[in-house]
Amino acid sequence: AQKVTQAQTEISVVEKEDVTLDCVYETRDTTYYLFWYKQPPSGELVFLIRRNSFDEQNEISGRYSWNFQKSTSSFNFTITASQVVDSAVYFCALSEYSSASKIIFGSGTRLSIRP
Amino acid sequence: SQTIHQWPATLVQPVGSPLSLECTVEGTSNPNLYWYRQAAGRGLQLLFYSVGIGQISSEVPQNLSASRPQDRQFILSSKKLLLSDSGFYLCAWRTGYTGELFFGEGSRLTVL
Repeated sequence: AQKVTQAQTEISVVEKEDVTLDCVYETRDTTYYLFWYKQPPSGELVFLIRRNSFDEQNEISGRYSWNFQKSTSSFNFTITASQVVDSAVYFCALSEYSSASKIIFGSGTRLSIRP
Repeated sequence: SQTIHQWPATLVQPVGSPLSLECTVEGTSNPNLYWYRQAAGRGLQLLFYSVGIGQISSEVPQNLSASRPQDRQFILSSKKLLLSDSGFYLCAWRTGYTGELFFGEGSRLTVL
């Protein structure tokens, strides 16, 4: 069965520090998709990135970067030079190809950036 | 462009009362539709998903049910609400089995 674990419940850092949010997943499929979402205080969920299981290249988008490692079943998210606007709850999610359209989320990490 | 709407945005209901949350998607055909619940300070729990009209997969065998009477309409219901049903309910859609989810604005339910 598919499972996503975000062990860090809450993280608090000072602005401009780098921070890494961990995501560990479990799946028996060889084809699957991983996602990261951001939920700011307003509540809406904002899509950040999608990665398929055959693409292990790391991704960088501005201050955001993602490290996908199949060997450790991890898909970690790093924010460089954090800003107060990065304060939000961040969710990692997994979709298995064999589970049709089911997508499950981790429990989320609440990130607080202090000025 | 595609849009998703869900309503009502806020709801306060007494224990034992019925519930109906509605979600509609515009600008796409045959979307996969989802209902998630987020309890206060908690993660996103998948409740139901649907890959077509009348096709509902349930992840939570409690007092909630879902229906998809039309291609782009997804309804979450309960006959009798429990206190534990309080939370933030999110509808979402995507096309196919590989893309990202697009979420609605959410419906905040408080059961008293």
